[in-house]
Amino acid sequence: AQRVTQPEKLLSVFKGAPVELKCNYSYSGSPELFWYVQYSRQRLQLLLRHISRESIKGFTADLNKGETSFHLKKPFAQEEDSAMYYCALRFYNQGGKLIFGQGTELSVKP
Amino acid sequence: DAGVIQSPRHEVTEMGQEVTLRCKPISGHNSLFWYRQTMMRGLELLIYFNNNVPIDDSGMPEDRFSAKMPNASFSTLKIQPSEPRDSAVYFCASSLNGGMNTEAFFGQGTRLTVV
Repeated sequence: AQRVTQPEKLLSVFKGAPVELKCNYSYSGSPELFWYVQYSRQRLQLLLRHISRESIKGFTADLNKGETSFHLKKPFAQEEDSAMYYCALRFYNQGGKLIFGQGTELSVKP
Repeated sequence: DAGVIQSPRHEVTEMGQEVTLRCKPISGHNSLFWYRQTMMRGLELLIYFNNNVPIDDSGMPEDRFSAKMPNASFSTLKIQPSEPRDSAVYFCASSLNGGMNTEAFFGQGTRLTVV
């Protein structure tokens, strides 16, 4: 089955603490993985994609095919990082079908 | 471009009524997705279109739900009859399919409340 799993509904940390939002996927083909973010009262927007291997707003994510994971990390959380984070899997050979995990709400406390 | 435009932003309706949600994708995009967002299930893919053709509607919960894309610049999601459990935020997204790792752009969503 094609599936994206985010095991944590809510992650609460203090400002300056490291953050790791977990994402696991189930797909036998070559995955295209993304992280999207939804700030309060705003629309979902792309945060980063695995192919870019870049750091956006201090966040990075590494694709681990052996563990079928794509965890999102940031060494020092900021209050403005508080938002809903969604891991997404795109299927290039299925017409670009795009599915999401259940989402993790990140709360960064002062 | 104003991005993906959804209307209405909020809809409150009585159980049993028909509800129609509307979406205008970004000009030039050829893929369109409808999602439902709830606390329990997160973002569920309901249906998606490529070049106005429905590709996968396996996520549509029941026959009460239907979606159309009569042209490249407009899509509707209809619920008839509506039920309280349909209450959720419905998102439309569009992308330019044809390449790898392409980004999807989301509308602001329609918050549906069925009473």
